[in-house]
Amino acid sequence: GAVVSQHPSRVICKSGTSVKIECRSLDFQATTMFWYRQFPKQSLMLMATSNEGSKATYEQGVEKDKFLINHASLTLSTLTVTSAHPEDSSFYICSAPPASAAYNEQFFGPGTRLTVL
Amino acid sequence: GQQLNQSPQSMFIQEGEDVSMNCTSSSIFNTWLWYKQDPGEGPVLLIALYKAGELTSNGRLTAQFGITRKDSFLNISASIPSDVGIYFCAGQLTGGTSYGKLTFGQGTILTVHP
Repeated sequence: GAVVSQHPSRVICKSGTSVKIECRSLDFQATTMFWYRQFPKQSLMLMATSNEGSKATYEQGVEKDKFLINHASLTLSTLTVTSAHPEDSSFYICSAPPASAAYNEQFFGPGTRLTVL
Repeated sequence: GQQLNQSPQSMFIQEGEDVSMNCTSSSIFNTWLWYKQDPGEGPVLLIALYKAGELTSNGRLTAQFGITRKDSFLNISASIPSDVGIYFCAGQLTGGTSYGKLTFGQGTILTVHP
């Protein structure tokens, strides 16, 4: 299957700083990518849909000014957690459906573990 | 956001036993997907179901898309230790503003004793 990578795999930061997480589709193009958040022992919750060349769409309850999404190319989407606080500590996972395939074929990245001290 | 009702929440079984888990929803979906997640990793797609009533197998895994489009089950036959992990169902709509979005179940934690 197609490969999606995330960088970094884990990050520890101080409260109040900003953290950028990258999601890359390595062998296919993706006009849309999805960002999820997963707290310990819980399911994945969709945060936002990243659209190449246009603004991201956010799920209800997700602050767009806090979680900045930029989909600058067909292979890269970034999620920036601004002014991070301990409650933002979580496992952030992206997914991408190949632009050439049906949206029901989504491939997930390995996730980024964010710890805010 | 909306979640699917997935059961059971956890299972402890002996190696060689069969496993069954299911998901139900109050809403219909166009696609049902089953994923497995290992600790610290992203979910890996196991089976995708595209038509109501569809029964699909992938090795020891078998999944069905319910006729009402509001439920799905996953069976694992002859379990082995590497089947350990968290299994998630996910429903997907393929139209309108929800296009491509996945709604996940709460997960089933599977433990297999050798």
